[in-house]
Amino acid sequence: DTGVSQDPRHKITKRGQNVTFRCDPISEHNRLYWYRQTLGQGPEFLTYFQNEAQLEKSRLLSDRFSAERPKGSFSTLEIQRTEQGDSAMYLCASSASDKGENQPQHFGDGTRLSIL
Amino acid sequence: GDSVTQMEGPVTLSEEAFLTINCTYTATGYPSLFWYVQYPGEGLQLLLKATKADDKGSNKGFEATYRKETTSFHLEKGSVQVSDSAVYFCALSDRPFNKFYFGSGTKLNVKP
Repeated sequence: DTGVSQDPRHKITKRGQNVTFRCDPISEHNRLYWYRQTLGQGPEFLTYFQNEAQLEKSRLLSDRFSAERPKGSFSTLEIQRTEQGDSAMYLCASSASDKGENQPQHFGDGTRLSIL
Repeated sequence: GDSVTQMEGPVTLSEEAFLTINCTYTATGYPSLFWYVQYPGEGLQLLLKATKADDKGSNKGFEATYRKETTSFHLEKGSVQVSDSAVYFCALSDRPFNKFYFGSGTKLNVKP
C-alpha cells in the first residue's frame, strides 16, 4: 500500500494563472474524491469519481474548476483564472468499493495553493 | 443536509490527563462515523470508525461510541501523551457515494 500521492506539494502562482494538480490514488481503489481545506476548517467536498465517471460535484466547484480521471486511475484538478479566494489546501482521497458499509477514505498529504 | 459539529479548540491538557472531544452530527440517513487526525504538515489519517449504532471504534487508546439517540460520536482517551498533539476531525459519510462531511477540527495540545 503506497498510499495516496499528490503532486505538487506546494504551488505558488499569480492571480489569473491556471494551475493543475495531480492525484494518484491507492491502486485498487475505484473511488476518488477531491476536497478543499482552508485554515482552521475541516475539508469540504468538491467532487467524486467512481472509476472514470464524475458522479457528483459540489456547488463550491465553480466553472473555473474542472476535474478529470480519464482512465479511472490518476486524477487531475485544474483551476483556471485563479483568484485570491482559491488559496487553500487541496486534498485528494480514495476509497475501496462499498462492501455493505461505508469505507474509510485514505487521504494524500495535499497540495497547498497560494495565490499572490 | 448532513453536517458535523465538534467542540472548538484548542484543548490544552497535561500529559496523562483524560481527553474528551465532543462531536455531534445531523444526517438524513444512517451514516458511518469516523475520527481522523492531522499532524502538522501531514494529511488526514484515519484514527477510528463506527458503522452502526452502538458500535465502538477504538485505536491507539482512543475510543468513540456511535450514539444514535444523542446523534453523537465523542472521542475519548484515558491518558494522553505529548505525541497526541494534533488536530482531530470528526466526520460522517453518507450513501450512496460515501461523501464525507467533516467538522471544523479540534486542536489538541498536550504539555509534558
